[in-house]
Amino acid sequence: IQMTQSPSSLSASVGDRVTITCRASQSVSISLNWYQQKPGQAPKLLIFGASSLPIGVPSRFSGSGSGTDFTLTVTGLQPEDFATYYCQQTSSAPAMYTFGQGTILEIK
Amino acid sequence: EEQLVQSGAEVKKPGESLKISCKGSGYSFSNYRIAWVRQMPGRGLELMGIIYPEDSDTSYSPSFQGQVTISADKSLSTAYLQWSSLEATDTAVYYCARRTYMSKGVGHSHNFDLWGQGTRVTVSS
Repeated sequence: IQMTQSPSSLSASVGDRVTITCRASQSVSISLNWYQQKPGQAPKLLIFGASSLPIGVPSRFSGSGSGTDFTLTVTGLQPEDFATYYCQQTSSAPAMYTFGQGTILEIK
Repeated sequence: EEQLVQSGAEVKKPGESLKISCKGSGYSFSNYRIAWVRQMPGRGLELMGIIYPEDSDTSYSPSFQGQVTISADKSLSTAYLQWSSLEATDTAVYYCARRTYMSKGVGHSHNFDLWGQGTRVTVSS
């Protein structure tokens, strides 16, 4: 299953609302996760099951979608949110889980 | 505290062998699958394969089948990723990650909730 994110990069300012989209080449139901990765760090789970936040993730992050189309929204960007974001589908067999190519969120 | 701690950075020559490790602590290591994820310089995340430490059942992404070997020693709470003959194109950061299943409200999925700090592998003559 191929995962395609858009845009590949975007520039925004502190306080902005941004949306990143992720499209699957076939339905993944809600087996869709989002990760945040900062330079030099390991990825961090941000959203699981398309819309649920793990404990400790700020509520300014939200996710939606099902089937093939998903979105990650950050409402009220904070300086620490500038990072790269990846979607991942876990609908397939475990060794076939796939990530999107990533979206770099930069400070304008 | 639950954590995955990976072995340190490696610098190798083409053709050399290498085995890197990922040690889990703070949770029942045997009961959760461990994945290995490659990140080449400036690139995205690629799942290489995944192992269930309890019985060492392993599966590989087609792109990595035959290129690496994933193993685990549950008595040491450690998973391994190894190469028999490195190439320059193996230069990357390699992460291990724990697969879990989460359910909360209407959302549920398998996901990678715990990651190692990464092992940088540089292959150069």
